[in-house]
Amino acid sequence: DTAVSQTPKYLVTQMGNDKSIKCEQNLGHDTMYWYKQDSKKFLKIMFSYNNKELIINETVPNRFSPKSPDKAHLNLHINSLELGDSAVYFCASRRDVRETQYFGPGTRLLVL
Amino acid sequence: QKEVEQNSGPLSVPEGAIASLNCTYSDRGSQSFFWYRQYSGKSPELIMSIYSNGDKEDGRFTAQLNKASQYVSLLIRDSQPSDSATYLCAVNWNNDMRFGAGTRLTVKP
Repeated sequence: DTAVSQTPKYLVTQMGNDKSIKCEQNLGHDTMYWYKQDSKKFLKIMFSYNNKELIINETVPNRFSPKSPDKAHLNLHINSLELGDSAVYFCASRRDVRETQYFGPGTRLLVL
Repeated sequence: QKEVEQNSGPLSVPEGAIASLNCTYSDRGSQSFFWYRQYSGKSPELIMSIYSNGDKEDGRFTAQLNKASQYVSLLIRDSQPSDSATYLCAVNWNNDMRFGAGTRLTVKP
């Protein structure tokens, strides 16, 4: 059984388009995250939700909007895509602050 | 500003040697510490977690934590070519998990 899943795995799109990435976890965790990993492999936190409530919102352009319809899902919508948005986006979840995060397989976004 | 610093490497060791990876962090309120391994094209996977000062051993891996110096390290004994990967240090403040830039390790046969 997949613990944290993301769709799509690959996303190639044109500048200016709007796209969404979906994340689901079947672990019963309360907290979910979105991370962006750039070409230099730096993993940067974007958002964190706990029980459907936004608790961390890093300095991310407001073109990025997370949505959590329930605590098992955290989706990421990106408006007006730019070249610099090209990266791998990882979703993660965990049960509580002392435990590790479980990562999804990543979504490789390429903006042309 | 919560920061996690790692030597970006790359670090190259011969097979069978000890690989030493280091990490420092800025916030004294940090609560838990993790080392992840990430193979190229894959997602990070947990190797070790450590919460209190001292050493924690798991097989060939030893994590060391010194909260006074705000320092956490990972030792890999008897390094194998399969250990070649990027190692990410992560530090937790409440629900906020921050990662270092990663150290790329190559173990040469």
